[in-house]
Amino acid sequence: SQTIHQWPATLVQPVGSPLSLECTVEGTSNPNLYWYRQAAGRGLQLLFYSVGIGQISSEVPQNLSASRPQDRQFILSSKKLLLSDSGFYLCAWSVSSMETQYFGPGTRLLVL
Amino acid sequence: ELKVEQNPLFLSMQEGKNYTIYCNYSTTSDRLYWYRQDPGKSLESLFVLLSNGAVKQEGRLMASLDTKARLSTLHITAAVHDLSATYFCAVDMGSGNTPLVFGKGTRLSVIA
Repeated sequence: SQTIHQWPATLVQPVGSPLSLECTVEGTSNPNLYWYRQAAGRGLQLLFYSVGIGQISSEVPQNLSASRPQDRQFILSSKKLLLSDSGFYLCAWSVSSMETQYFGPGTRLLVL
Repeated sequence: ELKVEQNPLFLSMQEGKNYTIYCNYSTTSDRLYWYRQDPGKSLESLFVLLSNGAVKQEGRLMASLDTKARLSTLHITAAVHDLSATYFCAVDMGSGNTPLVFGKGTRLSVIA
């Protein structure tokens, strides 16, 4: 069966510090991968998605970036965090763009 | 651009009552997904609706899809406290590698 992991689970970072969140999927090959952000009490904001290694589509211009160095690994990064980057970051995978997305447990980020 | 609208966004209902959450979308699609998010947790897949007239049921929840009306409903029967969560619908645009488009979510609170 397929599983999706995210780490860390919780992170507190100062403004201006760098960020690296990791997501890995097991049990499937060539998945579509997604990064979402959810502000407190709000809906989902799609940040990035990837249909293959090295293929990243950005949905929202901001100080975040994403990379997919391996087939089942998706990394979300920032060089300098802003207060507004605080939120709940969710990684998801799917077999294809039209199929069900399966979400990881999430990373809760607080920027102070 | 596909738009997905859920209503209501907030719903407080008494235990034992019935209610319906609506998900309208703006362009042709015959694939729709419902997700549940418990407070502080990630999203889990509830239902996958893949054709006009599709109906899926699990426990006190029943989802249906009317592709001609561009409408899906999530019906709650005899609500119980355990159903308190945020419910999201998501729609496939049906255009290649474009990801699902999520509604803003309906926050349901079931009270005694």
